[in-house]
Amino acid sequence: GESVGLHLPTLSVQEGDNSIINCAYSNSASDYFIWYKQESGKGPQFIIDIRSNMDKRQGQRVTVLLNKTVKHLSLQIAATQPGDSAVYFCAEKANTDKLIFGTGTRLQVFP
Amino acid sequence: DTAVSQTPKYLVTQMGNDKSIKCEQNLGHDTMYWYKQDSKKFLKIMFSYNNKELIINETVPNRFSPKSPDKAHLNLHINSLELGDSAVYFCASSSQRASPYFGPGTRLTVT
Repeated sequence: GESVGLHLPTLSVQEGDNSIINCAYSNSASDYFIWYKQESGKGPQFIIDIRSNMDKRQGQRVTVLLNKTVKHLSLQIAATQPGDSAVYFCAEKANTDKLIFGTGTRLQVFP
Repeated sequence: DTAVSQTPKYLVTQMGNDKSIKCEQNLGHDTMYWYKQDSKKFLKIMFSYNNKELIINETVPNRFSPKSPDKAHLNLHINSLELGDSAVYFCASSSQRASPYFGPGTRLTVT
């Protein structure tokens, strides 16, 4: 399930299950959205992006959904694996080079 | 083969000192950034340079001064270090309107 602790929200899932990580963005003018994965001790790594003229985009085992009406973004990971354990960030960009990051969600995968 | 590299990876120093972090990218990108990640994992943009020209300068103290000798390098110099400067600093680069590619980070600890 999903929980909010003292620090990052944490999503715990069993290996093989699907994961859904949610993000609410702030700027209705944002037109480009990105999901990043950050493993311990490393920099954020690009997973998938979507532009505001789309509402769904699929990659390998990942799908991003965009709902502009409620300013909501989600990342779906199919058949979650231990290697998916990391902190996931959504990020939004309006018509500038400034990328605004969300607070992050920690995904824990247990066997 | 490293796309975005930063040195040093770890930096431990005392309050009041001046230190620099170096960043280089070999991706041919025109835009480079500095981001700061605090202890709660919150990522915030500090600066953005496009072709050696400062584009974004967030509300960062004057003690922080970025320098871009050429479009492949963006260094960060910090004067009179304070305890609150302790964080992980990420360099990133991107081509126009694309997602930034992040370096491995520099963990700065001020004692």
